[in-house]
Amino acid sequence: DTAVSQTPKYLVTQMGNDKSIKCEQNLGHDTMYWYKQDSKKFLKIMFSYNNKELIINETVPNRFSPKSPDKAHLNLHINSLELGDSAVYFCASSQPPYGETQYFGPGTRLLVL
Amino acid sequence: KQEVTQIPAALSVPEGENLVLNCSFTDSAIYNLQWFRQDPGKGLTSLLLIQSSQREQTSGRLNASLDKSSGRSTLYIAASQPGDSATYLCAVMTPWEGGGADGLTFGKGTHLIIQP
Repeated sequence: DTAVSQTPKYLVTQMGNDKSIKCEQNLGHDTMYWYKQDSKKFLKIMFSYNNKELIINETVPNRFSPKSPDKAHLNLHINSLELGDSAVYFCASSQPPYGETQYFGPGTRLLVL
Repeated sequence: KQEVTQIPAALSVPEGENLVLNCSFTDSAIYNLQWFRQDPGKGLTSLLLIQSSQREQTSGRLNASLDKSSGRSTLYIAASQPGDSATYLCAVMTPWEGGGADGLTFGKGTHLIIQP
């Protein structure tokens, strides 16, 4: 069974559209994350979320918003997509208290045209 | 603000050699340090995690060390094989000022090629 899964695997869309990427983990973890890997392959944290708090990296535009319907899911909503949003987005999860291994999903490759 | 640097950016060696990848971080107040492997077009696979109180971890041919006070970690790969070819990423979990942690801070990786 896949520990952390993401859908879709690939997403091609036009500028200005709104899109969502789904993430599910079956590890029973309390904390989930979203990371962005840019064209230069540099990974940066976007959000950290558990049922108590959402921590947002200050560089993330407010067009990006995480939504968690339950503990096993953390979806990423992106409004008014821009060319610069093209990247690979990774979801991850871990168990607090923050000293544990993070498990990553396979990534969603977003291309904005 | 935590920054992670990995040296070298790329490395190409013949099969069978032992090699060392280096990682340094600017803020020694970390929860842990994690080494990942990323294959082209794929996700990240966790290789080793070292808690802030530990000095090293070993898994098979891999050994990772941590010197928290100097802000350094090394990943040692013994008897390298072509299947080890990948990008190796170092990442640290740093406490967030509001409590808890805000995710891993990654280095830019070392792109490793093992020649058959």
